[in-house]
Amino acid sequence: DTGVSQNPRHKITKRGQNVTFRCDPISEHNRLYWYRQTLGQGPEFLTYFQNEAQLEKSRLLSDRFSAERPKGSFSTLEIQRTEQGDSAMYLCASSNPGQGAHGYTFGSGTRLTVV
Amino acid sequence: AQTVTQSQPEMSVQEAETVTLSCTYDTSENNYYLFWYKQPPSRQMILVIRQEAYKQQNATENRFSVNFQKAAKSFSLKISDSQLGDTAMYFCAFMKPTHTGNQFYFGTGTSLTVIP
Repeated sequence: DTGVSQNPRHKITKRGQNVTFRCDPISEHNRLYWYRQTLGQGPEFLTYFQNEAQLEKSRLLSDRFSAERPKGSFSTLEIQRTEQGDSAMYLCASSNPGQGAHGYTFGSGTRLTVV
Repeated sequence: AQTVTQSQPEMSVQEAETVTLSCTYDTSENNYYLFWYKQPPSRQMILVIRQEAYKQQNATENRFSVNFQKAAKSFSLKISDSQLGDTAMYFCAFMKPTHTGNQFYFGTGTSLTVIP
């Protein structure tokens, strides 16, 4: 297992279009997190899954955002009707509760540019 | 709500010298974790060092050490014998473990440049 994988690495889209990102966590990790990182800021929490259940959502996750983890493995994050303010790095991370706060592994992110 | 403040947007250090990055946080919690993450241009967040709030002893990982002052809510990172590969953004982060998940609160980061 080579870690948390995110695709695509870069996405450029026109305002108003829909985009979808994918995250493949470390296989034995049942917790999966999405964060958003805008320029000059630290990552901000968006949402969290334990297995296929979405247990927590941030207020940052507007109605245009939806995340799924249908089989408790990979996850997708979709943004509908993109706006320029959605331009950011979207980071995925996974962890195993048995490792407590020790096993939180981040992916390399998907950089979204809305033009 | 938890907040994390990093007051140094940019710092530089000569290779082989020592540098300290500052971080303060605000919380009413008593049980929590503090972290320093490194984000190089490759973008992946890499764990540098971790501190459990209930431990009084400061964490150390090779050239990296922290000065954890719980009463002052301060958590600085010291990098000794700085190397060119240490050039990166450094983020201080707070985590309070819960039964529903471990959410991070990050600071705005410090951009560190190691000068040859």
